[in-house]
Amino acid sequence: ETGVTQSPTHLIKTRGQQVTLRCSSQSGHNTVSWYQQALGQGPQFIFQYYREEENGRGNFPPRFSGLQFPNYSSELNVNALELDDSALYLCASSLAGQGKHEQYFGPGTRLTVT
Amino acid sequence: KNEVEQSPQNLTAQEGEFITINCSYSVGISALHWLQQHPGGGIVSLFMLSSGKKKHGRLIATINIQEKHSSLHITASHPRDSAVYICAKSNFGNEKLTFGTGTRLTIIP
Repeated sequence: ETGVTQSPTHLIKTRGQQVTLRCSSQSGHNTVSWYQQALGQGPQFIFQYYREEENGRGNFPPRFSGLQFPNYSSELNVNALELDDSALYLCASSLAGQGKHEQYFGPGTRLTVT
Repeated sequence: KNEVEQSPQNLTAQEGEFITINCSYSVGISALHWLQQHPGGGIVSLFMLSSGKKKHGRLIATINIQEKHSSLHITASHPRDSAVYICAKSNFGNEKLTFGTGTRLTIIP
């Protein structure tokens, strides 16, 4: 076990709705990254937070937003859900550094948009 | 062209066989990661390396920085090794990972 938890495990939403996914980082980690993994694909980077500030963003529209809290837990919010948002959403925590720190992944939240 | 390419996409082997999965990347890195993903989604980090070779049990990872190439080897493969193996790179300055599409490994008893 990595010590990174995510909730909920599974979620079904309707197109146009909004969703909030949650991630609790491993103790001592100050950086969290969110990834989207479509079926049969590798994970795609959504964004990263370091000490409550966004620290890099992938090619995702603004309706994907996030927050990191003082205890380093994090949320991913997606507005105006589309069918293509159906995917496994993974968060990963690490210590900030020069890309030299191992990342610890949560079990993921599987989102289905109908 | 993806920044991280893996081969093969799918690999089926008999129990006991020596397995090699390859990864190449197109730009410089600070580290190359090998990860394992089982059905259900959870991802586990196997190795992070920036030079040379690392070994953990029956798993060995190597990297050639000049050739921008890494390999993951599994010795004496076992059905419990069946999973998707993904390589990913991280760049200097942040912890973002860029992933390959993964290799689905199936070990037949």
